[in-house]
Amino acid sequence: GAVVSQHPSWVICKSGTSVKIECRSLDFQATTMFWYRQFPKQSLMLMATSNEGSKATYEQGVEKDKFLINHASLTLSTLTVTSAHPEDSSFYICSARANRGRDAFFGQGTRLTVV
Amino acid sequence: QKEVEQNSGPLSVPEGAIASLNCTYSDRVSQSFFWYRQYSGKSPELIMSIYSNGDKEDGRFTAQLNKASQYVSLLIRDSQPSDSATYLCAVIRNNDMRFGAGTRLTVKP
Repeated sequence: GAVVSQHPSWVICKSGTSVKIECRSLDFQATTMFWYRQFPKQSLMLMATSNEGSKATYEQGVEKDKFLINHASLTLSTLTVTSAHPEDSSFYICSARANRGRDAFFGQGTRLTVV
Repeated sequence: QKEVEQNSGPLSVPEGAIASLNCTYSDRVSQSFFWYRQYSGKSPELIMSIYSNGDKEDGRFTAQLNKASQYVSLLIRDSQPSDSATYLCAVIRNNDMRFGAGTRLTVKP
């Protein structure tokens, strides 16, 4: 399958600071990227869908000013968690898809711990 | 009704048996269907994708799609202990991709 690289794989930050997570498609152009959050023993919850060059579409209940998503190129999307709080601690995973009807591949995930 | 529903399990099968995983979805306009496997603490990995009615086979895995019944399944033949994981059903509808809660599968040696 295609390769999607997510960085960092884990991060610990202080409450009130911001954290940026990168998601890169290494061997294909990702027209669509999905960002998910997963709490322990729960399923993946879609946070937002982003298409290259346009604003992300956020799911209901996800604060767009807190979770900033940028998809400026066909190989890179970033998620910035602003003013992080301990309740934001979770496993954040990106998924990238080449175009409609194609498979979607996941990055390795980022485990965020806010202390 | 949840958009994508799976039996959370756990499902336990003996080594060598067939494991059958089921998924239903609520929106008839859903276009693409996927099965992912997720080991604890890891990111999901794609097992199968299926886009049209019928069966699709890849090695020990067979995906089945029935759009009329809004049902997609995954069969794992000759189950191995290494198949023990959570299996996630995913559906793409209008360019967003949603997941079921996952079914926890345990294959006992």
